[in-house]
Amino acid sequence: QVQLQESGPGLVKPSQTLSLTCTVSGGSISSSSYYWSWIRQPAGKGLEWIGRIYTSGSTNYNPSLKSRVTISVDTSKNQFSLKLSSVTAADTAVYYCARDPASGNPGLDYWGQGTLVTVSS
Amino acid sequence: QSVLTQPPSASGTPGQRVTISCSGSSSNIGSNYVYWYQQLPGTAPKLLIYRNNQRPSGVPDRFSGSKSGTSASLAISGLRSEDEADYYCAAWEDSLSGWVFGGGTKLTVL
Repeated sequence: QVQLQESGPGLVKPSQTLSLTCTVSGGSISSSSYYWSWIRQPAGKGLEWIGRIYTSGSTNYNPSLKSRVTISVDTSKNQFSLKLSSVTAADTAVYYCARDPASGNPGLDYWGQGTLVTVSS
Repeated sequence: QSVLTQPPSASGTPGQRVTISCSGSSSNIGSNYVYWYQQLPGTAPKLLIYRNNQRPSGVPDRFSGSKSGTSASLAISGLRSEDEADYYCAAWEDSLSGWVFGGGTKLTVL
């Protein structure tokens, strides 16, 4: 059973860089069958897709965040990461990582439990 | 505002059938599959319907999905109290090369 777990600081100061890691267990992140996505959800609001990475390193980013987002993968640790620069209070949200199969179109089929990141001085 | 449009709320009594709509455009729902996610209070979203009308293993057949043109619907029959949750539709958006979601529908079981 695949499991994903987000980790990282729960509090980030304005203008700094938010950094989160998603650790995948129960399967290899380097499988050529999957993309790995980040999604966020501000309190009381809907879901916003941030971006995704393929095991080859190719990425897709939400155009609204593209200038501030970097997603990378570390196959040796079975992890992928999110960096969001120049954060403001509007970036306060629960951040989720999810598996995004590259074939068969099954959708975002496994999600982490989410981690709350608050942007505040 | 969200790219896909959902009603903010829906309700029903136990045993009833409720439907939740999701409206998009030719570049998302009109040309790609629709997905539905269920988010119980305080938990992560869970995949409920994929490829318009397919249920992952373990999802009861009380949940069904359909798509027509640039719109889609989620139907829940035999409503139960444990179905009280937020429901989100999603689709791939060709113009963005990314996933887009609806704003979510809060389902209340009266």
